[in-house]
Amino acid sequence: GESVGLHLPTLSVQEGDNSIINCAYSNSASDYFIWYKQESGKGPQFIIDIRSNMDKRQGQRVTVLLNKTVKHLSLQIAATQPGDSAVYFCAENPPQGSNYKLTFGKGTLLTVNP
Amino acid sequence: DAGVIQSPRHEVTEMGQEVTLRCKPISGHNSLFWYRQTMMRGLELLIYFNNNVPIDDSGMPEDRFSAKMPNASFSTLKIQPSEPRDSAVYFCASSARGGGETQYFGPGTRLLVL
Repeated sequence: GESVGLHLPTLSVQEGDNSIINCAYSNSASDYFIWYKQESGKGPQFIIDIRSNMDKRQGQRVTVLLNKTVKHLSLQIAATQPGDSAVYFCAENPPQGSNYKLTFGKGTLLTVNP
Repeated sequence: DAGVIQSPRHEVTEMGQEVTLRCKPISGHNSLFWYRQTMMRGLELLIYFNNNVPIDDSGMPEDRFSAKMPNASFSTLKIQPSEPRDSAVYFCASSARGGGETQYFGPGTRLLVL
């Protein structure tokens, strides 16, 4: 079956640097994507989403880029802070009739060094 | 907004015992999801309710698992009898409409079956 996967399982950055977390998806028909942040001992927290009719969306210190040509999704975090340390998941909503299902990637662990 | 509320936050029980997990979705949301998270399998959708009706329970592992949603503000996930392999973090999530919408997660219940 098709699935969402991540290129890098771990990412370590220095405080103040920009972080880029990548995600590859294989279902070209997916029309909605979400990035979640999960801190230790907590549930996944919504960060930002993007629909397939867009290629970029910005939030506070975060930007999501969608490249439908190569089926690639990325999350950019500007001026990374220690509080950004967490596991980041991408999720896609493949239009399979039952359009409520989200397919989650395995996650990337981001560690921010002070 | 209180967000999704789950109880208990932690549960330790012995094999064979009944376990009941509880969830209160965000007020006004009409879709509710139960997930299980393990290191090996990541986030797995167990069951999805829309307007209090179970729509998809294909992810429920076996007959030992059951879920109910008696009203719009409460759901339970029951495991009877519990087994050590059920040890995981169980998340409840809700969304406004269910289809291609952001799901908001609760803090999770950490279950350990001895």
